[in-house]
Amino acid sequence: EPEVTQTPSHQVTQMGQEVILRCVPISNHLYFYWYRQILGQKVEFLVSFYNNEISEKSEIFDDQFSVERPDGSNFTLKIRSTKLEDSAMYFCASTRVGGNQPQHFGDGTRLSIL
Amino acid sequence: GENVEQHPSTLSVQEGDSAVIKCTYSDSASNYFPWYKQELGKGPQLIIDIRSNVGEKKDQRIAVTLNKTAKHFSLHITETQPEDSAVYFCAASKVKGGKLIFGQGTELSVKP
Repeated sequence: EPEVTQTPSHQVTQMGQEVILRCVPISNHLYFYWYRQILGQKVEFLVSFYNNEISEKSEIFDDQFSVERPDGSNFTLKIRSTKLEDSAMYFCASTRVGGNQPQHFGDGTRLSIL
Repeated sequence: GENVEQHPSTLSVQEGDSAVIKCTYSDSASNYFPWYKQELGKGPQLIIDIRSNVGEKKDQRIAVTLNKTAKHFSLHITETQPEDSAVYFCAASKVKGGKLIFGQGTELSVKP
């Protein structure tokens, strides 16, 4: 069964540094998402991406965040200048076009900011 | 604003018993309600979903019910097994391809 894959599984970064989290969505999916989960809290929506542009973003997704689909397979989340409070699990998800289709999630990247 | 409340936060049952997890949503425009199971170190995995034009859906030991008037939906797991132990999340969305609003999660523990 096709899966969403995320790399790396764990990223440790110094505060103030840039970090790029990578995702390979399921191949025939066209909607892409990033969510985050701070330890012990609920999963929170960050951004959705369709047709090479952001379709919706949350208040969390400020100017420090950006997303990109650099080629036909990867979908990346960049945090320009990381803060301690960016420490969380970051999940990528994707879905097919058409109706309310299920979102399929990757296993996440654990981001630790020191 | 959009919000999904989920209860209980923890649930412990004996193997073979049933487990029920309940969620309420605030946005009456919500029309799609998936349930996810999250095991340790893994991402959320879809286990069942329901759309607003349906009141109940069943898949083997798992069923979901939806009450649009009351804006709540529930997950029912029958004949629980130890491998059902995980964190379960409900979610809601309202537009095609739209964001999911998650509940707080329920940690289910099934004791052998």
